[in-house]
Amino acid sequence: DTAVSQTPKYLVTQMGNDKSIKCEQNLGHDTMYWYKQDSKKFLKIMFSYNNKELIINETVPNRFSPKSPDKAHLNLHINSLELGDSAVYFCASSLQGDYGYTFGSGTRLTVV
Amino acid sequence: GENVEQHPSTLSVQEGDSAVIKCTYSDSASNYFPWYKQELGKGPQLIIDIRSNVGEKKDQRIAVTLNKTAKHFSLHITETQPEDSAVYFCAASPPGSNYQLIWGAGTKLIIKP
Repeated sequence: DTAVSQTPKYLVTQMGNDKSIKCEQNLGHDTMYWYKQDSKKFLKIMFSYNNKELIINETVPNRFSPKSPDKAHLNLHINSLELGDSAVYFCASSLQGDYGYTFGSGTRLTVV
Repeated sequence: GENVEQHPSTLSVQEGDSAVIKCTYSDSASNYFPWYKQELGKGPQLIIDIRSNVGEKKDQRIAVTLNKTAKHFSLHITETQPEDSAVYFCAASPPGSNYQLIWGAGTKLIIKP
């Protein structure tokens, strides 16, 4: 299936831990994004990569570090997790010069 | 920068009735306006979009209208069905933003049987 796939779907962890979320797309897109959706459903962009290069880096704590090994993958590593990091994190992709975003199904992160 | 406001935050309609969700934007140069539908447990999915050179676009039961003068655009869903229940997001893309989308806060649409 052509899609944007994220793993894991659910992640429960303790404060202070370090965790990673992986994202892969097989759509041939060259731009990938990480979004955070809070409990009120607001979508906030965190990062955007185009052909493995960082092009958008919103005001996000430096505990969050994206890594793009190739244009089909964009992973998110989070250090020293805090309660406020609990949210659903969405990966998305698009073609450069195209507005159409395809979202993954999300990773629900719960920090206890 | 661009700011998008979306209303209402929650909309409850009887099955078979129409639903309208409205968004306003602040940057008159914005030129692309999509609508996304997010079902429970899923990511947002593009359902319809409109560009600034068009006033209205339809796709079966859904339509989007754009008023550039007033800087607002609306999503219209006719003959609503239970499967229309979801959170709907509008967005706008200002020029020079590298195709970044500025999102509305979302509208939870509830279809009552």
